[in-house]
Amino acid sequence: GAGVSQSPSNKVTEKGKDVELRCDPISGHTALYWYRQRLGQGLEFLIYFQGNSAPDKSGLPSDRFSAERTGESVSTLTIQRTQQEDSAVYLCASSLGLSGQGNQPQHFGDGTRLSIL
Amino acid sequence: SQELEQSPQSLIVQEGKNLTINCTSSKTLYGLYWYKQKYGEGLIFLMMLQKGGEEKSHEKITAKLDEKKQQSSLHITASQPSHAGIYLCGAVTISNFGNEKLTFGTGTRLTIIP
Repeated sequence: GAGVSQSPSNKVTEKGKDVELRCDPISGHTALYWYRQRLGQGLEFLIYFQGNSAPDKSGLPSDRFSAERTGESVSTLTIQRTQQEDSAVYLCASSLGLSGQGNQPQHFGDGTRLSIL
Repeated sequence: SQELEQSPQSLIVQEGKNLTINCTSSKTLYGLYWYKQKYGEGLIFLMMLQKGGEEKSHEKITAKLDEKKQQSSLHITASQPSHAGIYLCGAVTISNFGNEKLTFGTGTRLTIIP
């Protein structure tokens, strides 16, 4: 597709359930990022994938959070045993990839709005 | 870690007026991005600034990077209702391994009133 696609757009689930969020990056983009945005707050970095390198997981808030990416395509973010504080918009972004110079803009999807009851 | 402070946090401007949003970093800026976000939507890339003194414009939006002051400003001329939204600045940090990450400010909520 032309842009970053995320699904589902909205997810409501009960506390304690596991959820899986999906991100389809722009074709050809080797770098993929996940962010979390709580209501009224800024974006919080979660995890970063670049090609076949080990992902940068430094932003994951707990071991209940994990993410996978197959090659340079789809990524899934999984939250296990969800808690109410996990309620947020989860945004995915992709970029052309590593340049080491910070000159590749990230392009964002519309996000998944997750609500934990 | 790098922190970005945006000011003001919210701004209400009459249509047709000019406005400026500032983004100040706690560390040296290697690259600065400006994004716009509308409620319930993702971020729309506006501009990227890399060099001190660099200035870019797109339609009625101009952004500047003052590297020495570790600051960037976003200026909107003759504001329109379509400019309403949340403006976010993002600073690039590059690790020793070359990993790039964006750290975002908390945003400026812009409201345009007729």
